[in-house]
Amino acid sequence: DVKVTQSSRYLVKRTGEKVFLECVQDMDHENMFWYRQDPGLGLRLIYFSYDVKMKEKGDIPEGYSVSREKKERFSLILESASTNQTSMYLCASSFPSGLTDTQYFGPGTRLTVL
Amino acid sequence: SQKIEQNSEALNIQEGKTATLTCNYTNYSPAYLQWYRQDPGRGPVFLLLIRENEKEKRKERLKVTFDTTLKQSLFHITASQPADSATYLCALGAGGGNKLTFGTGTQLKVEL
Repeated sequence: DVKVTQSSRYLVKRTGEKVFLECVQDMDHENMFWYRQDPGLGLRLIYFSYDVKMKEKGDIPEGYSVSREKKERFSLILESASTNQTSMYLCASSFPSGLTDTQYFGPGTRLTVL
Repeated sequence: SQKIEQNSEALNIQEGKTATLTCNYTNYSPAYLQWYRQDPGRGPVFLLLIRENEKEKRKERLKVTFDTTLKQSLFHITASQPADSATYLCALGAGGGNKLTFGTGTQLKVEL
């Protein structure tokens, strides 16, 4: 069965801390994505990666960076967390078939920055 | 700019009725459209995909239509059940192994 896991379900950090969110998929997918989801704003793409060591900015990359050293793992980094980064963070992966691009999501990490 | 609109107001219906959710888009020529279900505190789960050259797709109690002239997709759940209560997201893709653009979702509540 397809599986995307995220390192934490809930996380509480302080302003200015460096935060790492980890995502692992076991489907050998090339594509991986990081979104944040806020009420009324829906899913917004932060960064995505279509191969190891490759990354592309999404719609809201400011304040975030990513790392993809291995195919199965995609990390989201908040260099200096701020309160406006309090949100639900969702990781997803997909196989780049060009026909469907169906995404498989992890359970999400609810991050609170105090 | 690309825009996807889903009704932000929750849809409340009675058990057994057909739920119909709408997804409208502008400034986009999608190769396909997908529908996802999201339960509270969980990640979205893929339900159905319909391609630009398809008018209708069915899967069990689910039916999706796609009108590229109206730039609209309708998502139907027949014989709805309380277990169908969730938020439903539409997503558009251009194809080519690319990313998706998601709507904000519509919350469905099925009451006994």
